[in-house]
Amino acid sequence: RKEVEQDPGPFNVPEGATVAFNCTYSNSASQSFFWYRQDCRKEPKLLMSVYSSGNEDGRFTAQLNRASQYISLLIRDSKLSDSATYLCVVSRMDSSYKLIFGSGTRLLVRP
Amino acid sequence: DTGVSQNPRHKITKRGQNVTFRCDPISEHNRLYWYRQTLGQGPEFLTYFQNEAQLEKSRLLSDRFSAERPKGSFSTLEIQRTEQGDSAMYLCASSFEGRTNEKLFFGSGTQLSVL
Repeated sequence: RKEVEQDPGPFNVPEGATVAFNCTYSNSASQSFFWYRQDCRKEPKLLMSVYSSGNEDGRFTAQLNRASQYISLLIRDSKLSDSATYLCVVSRMDSSYKLIFGSGTRLLVRP
Repeated sequence: DTGVSQNPRHKITKRGQNVTFRCDPISEHNRLYWYRQTLGQGPEFLTYFQNEAQLEKSRLLSDRFSAERPKGSFSTLEIQRTEQGDSAMYLCASSFEGRTNEKLFFGSGTQLSVL
């Protein structure tokens, strides 16, 4: 079993739709949580960190449920430019420098 | 461009040959990482340097792989006697120690194809 699990998708949604991605992690020692975005044939880039209280950045909202070891990302009012792969990422308390990536969820936003 | 720079962008080699990749991190970043990514998968951690010290090496890194960061600046990743299974995107990233949720900056990667 992978340490970080994601639905690979693809999620195919129309512009303007709201879409949510989920991610589960297996190691209870996980301490820090992130969502990275990766465009086709490009490097991953940090989208947002995920805090215990939940956090929002414009159209993007991230939630963390430590009890269920579950992270979510909600995208409102989807844009064509949101089409990408979204990587769920965790790091552990004992090796906080090391990011552990999920396989990613692919999002396609259609006109 | 002051981002993370990797060279070459693409490398095609024959099985059994040695290859070397270079990474130039963001200049003030003291942490440097190598990751490997195959199609449909997320990046997998390979190794990590803090300044010139290699502090962790993944079990994914067989003895054919070696990484160096001689002066705490640029880094090289060498693969000896390449195998077809080594074909992947090799990503370098850097960060600055000291922030709780430190942000990694990735380079564009080196795509290795072993024929």
